[in-house]
Amino acid sequence: DAGVIQSPRHEVTEMGQEVTLRCKPISGHDYLFWYRQTMMRGLELLIYFNNNVPIDDSGMPEDRFSAKMPNASFSTLKIQPSEPRDSAVYFCASSPVNQETQYFGPGTRLLVL
Amino acid sequence: LAKTTQPISMDSYEGQEVNITCSHNNIATNDYITWYQQFPSQGPRFIIQGYKTKVTNEVASLFIPADRKSSTLSLPRVSLSDTAVYYCLVGGDNQGGKLIFGQGTELSVKP
Repeated sequence: DAGVIQSPRHEVTEMGQEVTLRCKPISGHDYLFWYRQTMMRGLELLIYFNNNVPIDDSGMPEDRFSAKMPNASFSTLKIQPSEPRDSAVYFCASSPVNQETQYFGPGTRLLVL
Repeated sequence: LAKTTQPISMDSYEGQEVNITCSHNNIATNDYITWYQQFPSQGPRFIIQGYKTKVTNEVASLFIPADRKSSTLSLPRVSLSDTAVYYCLVGGDNQGGKLIFGQGTELSVKP
C-alpha cells in the first residue's frame, strides 16, 4: 500500500483565495483525521470521520473551514476565504478499526500571503 | 480527556539508552497509551502502544506500572537518526475517538 496520500504537498496562495487540500486514506481504513500543525499551537485535531461520516468537528477553527468525505477513498479540507493565519502544515491520517493507531500522510505545507 | 505531561526536551549521545517518561494521572480504565515519533517535515509515525505492564517491538519498549498513571518509552542504543519529537497520547473510543497530541518531547541525539 502507498500509505496516506496528500495533495498538493505545497501550496502558496494569496489572502482571500479558496484553498482545497486533498487526502486519500489507506484502503480499508474506517477513520480519517485532519490535523493542523504550527509552531505556536502544535498539532491540532480539526475533524475526523468514521465510515465517511463526520464524528467530531469541534476542532475546526471557524466557518471558513469545511471538510467532506464523499467516499471511503477521498476527503477534502477547504478553506474559503484563506487568511495568513491559516498558514500551517495540514496532515491527513487514517486508521483501521483501532483508532489509536493512526497513519499520517506527508502533509501539505500551506502559505497564505 | 486524559492530560499528559512529558519533558519538553532531552539530550542524549549515540549508543545510549533513552527513557522518556509521560505522566497521565487521569487515565481512564479503557484508555490505551500510544507513542508517536515525528521527524522534521514529516507526519507523526506510530511507534508503540500498550495498556499495562511491558510491550516491546523492534523499535522501542513501553513500560507501564500497575497504576497506569505514567508510562516510559525506552529507546535502546539511540543513533543520530532517532532525533525527533516523541508524543505520548492517551485516549480512544471511550472518549469519542479523540486523541490529543501534546507538545511532545524533543529528543536530540549527539555524536
